[in-house]
Amino acid sequence: DAGVIQSPRHEVTEMGQEVTLRCKPISGHNSLFWYRQTMMRGLELLIYFNNNVPIDDSGMPEDRFSAKMPNASFSTLKIQPSEPRDSAVYFCASSFQGPGELFFGEGSRLTVL
Amino acid sequence: KQEVTQIPAALSVPEGENLVLNCSFTDSAIYNLQWFRQDPGKGLTSLLLIQSSQREQTSGRLNASLDKSSGRSTLYIAASQPGDSATYLCAAPTGGSQGNLIFGKGTKLSVKP
Repeated sequence: DAGVIQSPRHEVTEMGQEVTLRCKPISGHNSLFWYRQTMMRGLELLIYFNNNVPIDDSGMPEDRFSAKMPNASFSTLKIQPSEPRDSAVYFCASSFQGPGELFFGEGSRLTVL
Repeated sequence: KQEVTQIPAALSVPEGENLVLNCSFTDSAIYNLQWFRQDPGKGLTSLLLIQSSQREQTSGRLNASLDKSSGRSTLYIAASQPGDSATYLCAAPTGGSQGNLIFGKGTKLSVKP
């Protein structure tokens, strides 16, 4: 298996632009997680899905952030409009069942100027 | 609310030493606890997953223990090698949630040749 695949790996954009991050989980995994990592706050869960349904989105910072999982093999995290404080590494992870072993993608490094 | 703390924040040892990394958590009602490794600029790699019914797990030179009653887990690395240099993170689920993993800030390990 190719593991969790994220794109893009790096994104540099200007404040106010829309950003879309993409994730393909490991085939057969039914739980998908979006995390954000910064030096100051470490790893924070933004949202997680179970069987394509959002279960906990309490970590989503504000309405500028939205996430979708239209099918078992694809998820997006969208930021609109983006702000400099959104600069971070965004990780997608998947597992078989919610509390199972978690597998991470390589991350998407976002820089908002 | 679950809080996960890791000490020390950084550790430097000579090659060949055995070492212990510590992780403590506040909510002992956990399904499992996971240890991860993160190399610079990379995603997290799962090292060990300890179920709540287990006391320890071993993989090669790594051994992780779990003591739910005291809210502690340790990661023991035997005969450390320069290739072990990385940041090690532990993560525990929040009470009542099957999927929301709370991460510690990690221990940055440097093994000197």
